[in-house]
Amino acid sequence: DTGVSQDPRHKITKRGQNVTFRCDPISEHNRLYWYRQTLGQGPEFLTYFQNEAQLEKSRLLSDRFSAERPKGSFSTLEIQRTEQGDSAMYLCASSFTGGRYEQFFGPGTRLTVL
Amino acid sequence: DQQVKQNSPSLSVQEGRISILNCDYTNSMFDYFLWYKKYPAEGPTFLISISSIKDKNEDGRFTVFLNKSAKHLSLHIVPSQPGDSAVYFCAASASEGGADGLTFGKGTHLIIQP
Repeated sequence: DTGVSQDPRHKITKRGQNVTFRCDPISEHNRLYWYRQTLGQGPEFLTYFQNEAQLEKSRLLSDRFSAERPKGSFSTLEIQRTEQGDSAMYLCASSFTGGRYEQFFGPGTRLTVL
Repeated sequence: DQQVKQNSPSLSVQEGRISILNCDYTNSMFDYFLWYKKYPAEGPTFLISISSIKDKNEDGRFTVFLNKSAKHLSLHIVPSQPGDSAVYFCAASASEGGADGLTFGKGTHLIIQP
């Protein structure tokens, strides 16, 4: 069990560019979550998947954001036309609904938009 | 509108003494609560949880107390150890076991003094 992994760990981009982040959950976990954390705040829920299906999206997930989990394994989060306000830590978590539900978090991807 | 509130941004406790971290919530639909611990440059790590049907849950040095009528929960760590120095987040969910997206507080930075 290697835990939840995220790639890249850091991303610096210019305003207006598109970025994509990847999350690999714990292998037997069927739920995958995306959160965003800004300085001085707790993680804020963005969206989650059960297997391939995206079951819930927060109002924080504007139309510039899209998340996919095409085969029910890894997931990608894309941000189009980045803005400086998108600068944050993007956290991925996974859980298994067949047993204990607690969410296990990855180390996050820190995005800086210049 | 902060639905989960941690009103103490930081707390300093002497090693060996009890640390008490507090959390208040406003949404009466919340029925599952979790505490996470976070070190710098790492994702949050699950510590302990409690369902609304209980008022106490204990795991080693960590005990969580829930007062539903007051919409208040607390995390007790005893005895406090230097490795407990971290940011602690309170989180809540309206779904069984916290299987859906979690709502986090802003966190409390616990500092254990030698």
